[in-house]
Amino acid sequence: DTAVSQTPKYLVTQMGNDKSIKCEQNLGHDTMYWYKQDSKKFLKIMFSYNNKELIINETVPNRFSPKSPDKAHLNLHINSLELGDSAVYFCASSFGQGGKQPQHFGDGTRLSIL
Amino acid sequence: AQSVTQLDSHVSVSEGTPVLLRCNYSSSYSPSLFWYVQHPNKGLQLLLKYTSAATLVKGINGFEAEFKKSETSFHLTKPSAHMSDAAEYFCVVRSNDYKLSFGAGTTVTVRA
Repeated sequence: DTAVSQTPKYLVTQMGNDKSIKCEQNLGHDTMYWYKQDSKKFLKIMFSYNNKELIINETVPNRFSPKSPDKAHLNLHINSLELGDSAVYFCASSFGQGGKQPQHFGDGTRLSIL
Repeated sequence: AQSVTQLDSHVSVSEGTPVLLRCNYSSSYSPSLFWYVQHPNKGLQLLLKYTSAATLVKGINGFEAEFKKSETSFHLTKPSAHMSDAAEYFCVVRSNDYKLSFGAGTTVTVRA
C-alpha cells in the first residue's frame, strides 16, 4: 500500500548513458514533483505537474525531461548522464498546486554515475 | 523571495531530554511553514504544518512548533527525545510562486 513509489531505488550507470526513473502515487493527488537532493542533503525542486500539465520548470539542463502520462504517474528521463547528476532524486505528490497542502515523498532513487 | 535558515546543522541530545531545532524564515507575506523528517535511505515525512491557524502546532511523534511572526521563527521542539528521533529535519517555507524552499537540514543524533 505504498503511497508514492519510485523505481528503481538504486541506479548505477556510466557517463553518457540515458536512463529513466519512474514514479507512481496511489493517493489520488493531482500534483506531482521531482526533487534533487545533493550530497550535502540540500533539496531543490526540479519540476512539478498539475493534472498532467507542467507548472514548475526550474533551471534544469534540458537533458532532463519529465513526462506525466496521467495524474498518478510522473517519470523522469535523463539523457547523456554526467558525473554531476549523481544525487538522490525524490518524487512527491500533493493535492493542489498551491503548496499549502503537505507533500508526500517517495523513498528516493539513488543515482550514481561512474 | 522566501528563504529559510536552520540555525543548527547538527544537534546532539541524550535520550529523554528535550530537543530544540531552530528555524528562521523570511517571507513577504503570511507564509505556510512545514517541518519534515528524513530517516536514512527514506523520503521526507511531514511532521507538522502551519498555515495561519493556531500559532502552536502539534505534529506527529510528540513534536510541536510555534510560529512567532515577530521573530520570524518556527522552532521545532519535543519534550523528551527517543532513539528513533535520530534523523535529518528540514524546515520548509512555501513561496508565493507555489514552490517550497527547504532549509539546509539539521542532523539530530540521540545518545543512549
